[in-house]
Amino acid sequence: QSVLTQPPSVSGAPGQRVTMSCSGSSSNIGSVFDVHWYQQLPGKAPTLLIYGNTMRPSGVPDRFSGSKSGTSASLAITGLQAEDEGDYYCQSYDYIVNAWVFGGGTKLTVV
Amino acid sequence: EVQLLESGGGLAQPGGSLRLSCVASGFSFSTNAMSWVRQAPGKGLEWVSGADYPTDDKYYTDSVKGRFTVSRDNSRNTLYLQMNNLSVDDTALYYCVKVHHGPTWAFGSWGQGTLVIVST
Repeated sequence: QSVLTQPPSVSGAPGQRVTMSCSGSSSNIGSVFDVHWYQQLPGKAPTLLIYGNTMRPSGVPDRFSGSKSGTSASLAITGLQAEDEGDYYCQSYDYIVNAWVFGGGTKLTVV
Repeated sequence: EVQLLESGGGLAQPGGSLRLSCVASGFSFSTNAMSWVRQAPGKGLEWVSGADYPTDDKYYTDSVKGRFTVSRDNSRNTLYLQMNNLSVDDTALYYCVKVHHGPTWAFGSWGQGTLVIVST
């Protein structure tokens, strides 16, 4: 049972916009802690996609955007491409469990 | 370019030990916080341990406290994870991760991982 809750799967057609949610609580996302997002393509190590709720590391296309509100965060992908298929994880810190915590991950399928 | 090369994984029996190593290059290892994150087969990501900078504080997830020890040798640009009293639940791909500085740790760069299998 992950501290952060993500939908198991989302899907979209090429060119479409998809969003995926990350639900937390007052001890993590709803507190002072930032949310970060990671992309894990099949068979690869994860890569940092969004940090500090909304910031993109250099090299990450602006098709990817993040937001945070209250105890939840969202990742949006516009202009969906086949190569975006993979798993997406949100991450923050929780002061009750005293640990950096991940969501269970959302599998993105480009149909 | 940041590079993180893990080694030391393998097959261990329950109750056994392994020591993972991670050789870092392409950045100032000695002035950066580092962490270990694992991924059990077919499962999600789980933060395991971290070594902070500049405090050198060490952090552990509850399930490994008292069994795992993180350390670093800045002269060798190497991060270690000593894993004792291993259980089958420790079976996972272990990633060495460079922490991205900020108020909340983000895991900025990842190695390719080293596989730990705990089994009889």
